Amino acid sequence: AQKITQTQPGMFVQEKEAVTLDCTYDTSDPSYGLFWYKQPSSGEMIFLIYQGSYDQQNATEGRYSLNFQKARKSANLVISASQLGDSAMYFCAMREAHNDMRFGAGTRLTVKP
Amino acid sequence: DVKVTQSSRYLVKRTGEKVFLECVQDMDHENMFWYRQDPGLGLRLIYFSYDVKMKEKGDIPEGYSVSREKKERFSLILESASTNQTSMYLCASLVGQGMNTEAFFGQGTRLTVV
Repeated sequence: AQKITQTQPGMFVQEKEAVTLDCTYDTSDPSYGLFWYKQPSSGEMIFLIYQGSYDQQNATEGRYSLNFQKARKSANLVISASQLGDSAMYFCAMREAHNDMRFGAGTRLTVKP
Repeated sequence: DVKVTQSSRYLVKRTGEKVFLECVQDMDHENMFWYRQDPGLGLRLIYFSYDVKMKEKGDIPEGYSVSREKKERFSLILESASTNQTSMYLCASLVGQGMNTEAFFGQGTRLTVV
């Protein structure tokens, strides 16, 4: 069964606007971590932000914030003030208490000037 | 800087060949992973290893095997390559727990099976 679901294959946003990339997950483990990665066209995987299942507050890192709704099992990434350099693939990932890490299908974000 | 190095950036193999994809990390990381990345499917976990000689199947292990004889090296083996194994293969090593988790990725190997 798919553990990480990203329902938006592609998203467009106007430069300087905010955008939300959706991620829902499925786990019965009370302890888990959620991650977002950016993959530009160069192919490297860039870590953006982390949210732990026990964290009381939503994670923020600069222009990135994570809208964590535990009861709904969603961990949406919010990018504020989009820049042209934000155009990339974005992956949501989850690591449960055991050691593996699984990823969603990704969302291709295009920032329009 | 931690480095994860995959032996080849591009590889072309024939159907039926045995293919070895090598991954080496230069830190003492216990956890190593092999993923394949396909458009619309994201990164799918093939196998992972949490210690030398230990391996666990991921979501799509069929047609693949792995070897971890030394901590720094995690090899992915395609026993008999098929055209549906044409893909981008990413190796990663993982260290830490919780918010201290760091994943380091190799540059990827684009495998074409003809």
